[in-house]
Amino acid sequence: AQTVTQSQPEMSVQEAETVTLSCTYDTSESDYYLFWYKQPPSRQMILVIRQEAYKQQNATENRFSVNFQKAAKSFSLKISDSQLGDAAMYFCAYRIRAGGTSYGKLTFGQGTILTVHP
Amino acid sequence: GAVVSQHPSWVICKSGTSVKIECRSLDFQATTMFWYRQFPKQSLMLMATSNEGSKATYEQGVEKDKFLINHASLTLSTLTVTSAHPEDSSFYICSARAVLSYSYNEQFFGPGTRLTVL
Repeated sequence: AQTVTQSQPEMSVQEAETVTLSCTYDTSESDYYLFWYKQPPSRQMILVIRQEAYKQQNATENRFSVNFQKAAKSFSLKISDSQLGDAAMYFCAYRIRAGGTSYGKLTFGQGTILTVHP
Repeated sequence: GAVVSQHPSWVICKSGTSVKIECRSLDFQATTMFWYRQFPKQSLMLMATSNEGSKATYEQGVEKDKFLINHASLTLSTLTVTSAHPEDSSFYICSARAVLSYSYNEQFFGPGTRLTVL
């Protein structure tokens, strides 16, 4: 079974600084997706960034970038120039790419609460 | 585009009653919908996968007679919590899978429903 682990229950950062959230996962599959989701106080889940396992290049979305280390099964999220609106709970998630009974199912990590200080 | 709604957003009921939660994809067809449960400051736990026109697939440990799921159309799935008890109080989130491309099917999340059982 796939597992996703976020070892940082809480993190904090000063506004305009950079912060990195950690995520490791375990899977026997070779083709999959990894995601970072943001859940603000409204509790609406928002997709921050997606990484395809077959791509070596790290995904980037504006101030958000990932460091994907497939061999180490590590997938960290870097937030640059942190803003107050970045304060939220962040979830790392895994999804197999192929079909079958697990198709489309997301496995989430425990989450990291990010606080941004002005 | 790709909006998922949930109704109601908040419901309070007495112990022993049943509560129905609706999940709708507003501007796309969703052949698959997922139901999650989330406790405060915890991760999302997948309860079941709902496919249009077929029976839902429940995760291990989830009582299918307690949590009835019906995916009657390509835009609507419902979760009914039968004979609700205080321990069923939680935040319930649905997501709908949209076919965006041949290789990638993104999930879009609803805003969630807070259930409080007195």
